[in-house]
Amino acid sequence: GAGVSQSPSNKVTEKGKDVELRCDPISGHTALYWYRQSLGQGLEFLIYFQGNSAPDKSGLPSDRFSAERTGGSVSTLTIQRTQQEDSAVYLCASSLGGGGYTEAFFGQGTRLTVV
Amino acid sequence: LAKTTQPISMDSYEGQEVNITCSHNNIATNDYITWYQQFPSQGPRFIIQGYKTKVTNEVASLFIPADRKSSTLSLPRVSLSDTAVYYCLVRAAGNKLTFGGGTRVLVKP
Repeated sequence: GAGVSQSPSNKVTEKGKDVELRCDPISGHTALYWYRQSLGQGLEFLIYFQGNSAPDKSGLPSDRFSAERTGGSVSTLTIQRTQQEDSAVYLCASSLGGGGYTEAFFGQGTRLTVV
Repeated sequence: LAKTTQPISMDSYEGQEVNITCSHNNIATNDYITWYQQFPSQGPRFIIQGYKTKVTNEVASLFIPADRKSSTLSLPRVSLSDTAVYYCLVRAAGNKLTFGGGTRVLVKP
């Protein structure tokens, strides 16, 4: 595709249910990021994949959050036993490499609402 | 990781030049300085990136003094559509992209 694609665009779930958010990065991009953004706030880093290296999971807020990237392409962010405080926009980005001089391209995000 | 400090908000008027200064006192030799723009309900968008001196593209200019402890994003002749949040990031190769709180720029008619 031409850009980073995220699905679904909106997700409403009940408290306690598990959700999966999908990110299709730009083809050929080796770096992939997940962020969370609450209303009116900045971007909170969650996890970073770079090529075949072990992912940087330092931003995951709890063990209810996990992410994987299959075949170096598509990534799935899973939130188990969702809580109301998990409500936010989840943004995915990809870049050609992990170098300092690289441009990250963002998807439109998935708006998660936990009721 | 170098921490960045930038103003929380700025107001301007159409046609004026907007300058946003970001402080990054502990920037490392390998760090690049990057600015992103975010409109409501959208993901951030890359604006400009530099290492030292001045960089200019069709959207903005980036001024970086010799000590690289700060940088200034300059938006020439802003319009209402430039109302957005602007983020300053400092990052070295292989490191994650870390966003701060950003600067909310409001352009008034």
